[in-house]
Amino acid sequence: ETGVTQSPTHLIKTRGQQVTLRCSSQSGHNTVSWYQQALGQGPQFIFQYYREEENGRGNFPPRFSGLQFPNYSSELNVNALELDDSALYLCASRAGTGGDPRNGYTFGSGTRLTVV
Amino acid sequence: AQKITQTQPGMFVQEKEAVTLDCTYDTSDQSYGLFWYKQPSSGEMIFLIYQGSYDEQNATEGRYSLNFQKARKSANLVISASQLGDSAMYFCAMRGGLSGGYQKVTFGTGTKLQVIP
Repeated sequence: ETGVTQSPTHLIKTRGQQVTLRCSSQSGHNTVSWYQQALGQGPQFIFQYYREEENGRGNFPPRFSGLQFPNYSSELNVNALELDDSALYLCASRAGTGGDPRNGYTFGSGTRLTVV
Repeated sequence: AQKITQTQPGMFVQEKEAVTLDCTYDTSDQSYGLFWYKQPSSGEMIFLIYQGSYDEQNATEGRYSLNFQKARKSANLVISASQLGDSAMYFCAMRGGLSGGYQKVTFGTGTKLQVIP
């Protein structure tokens, strides 16, 4: 299986609710990162998982959490949604946590979350 | 802290012409990597080209080349022979070393390129 698949593609939630976004990474890609991209902005790093453990985090509050599973899938969970959480959420994966950075991340097409 | 600056919100280029997209960066790390990504309207980020901070040669990938000037901390993307399919958002990004966090990739705000027939 090739590529990174994210689901759902679009989602509308109400402020205060919880949401789970899913990502299916390419086989062999044991590193997955999640990014938040607000409209008109560049992606902002949320966190990264390697072999099912978080090994890096950006400036996001604890209500943003994640899970990574042995089958190369992962989840981003956001609790107590706020209006400012409306954004495109991108999942990116690669093989290994170090190595040749030319092995760039493979990104999915994202989930567009709207909080009303 | 790492920072990427892209000062061109939008650019137009005539089909078949070359275009340069500007990127400057700031980091205290000695070892870092610079990337360019293309984001079409579909949303996915497409990897274009990579330049390592210790690479002596400018990176090239087909029609894409990276004009790396380390002393000036700039990493401009040059697209030669523009095609209509090149119309998209372009992001400059950096993966840092010890201070920036090896895991984190920092993106700029992007440049919207429109290719005119």
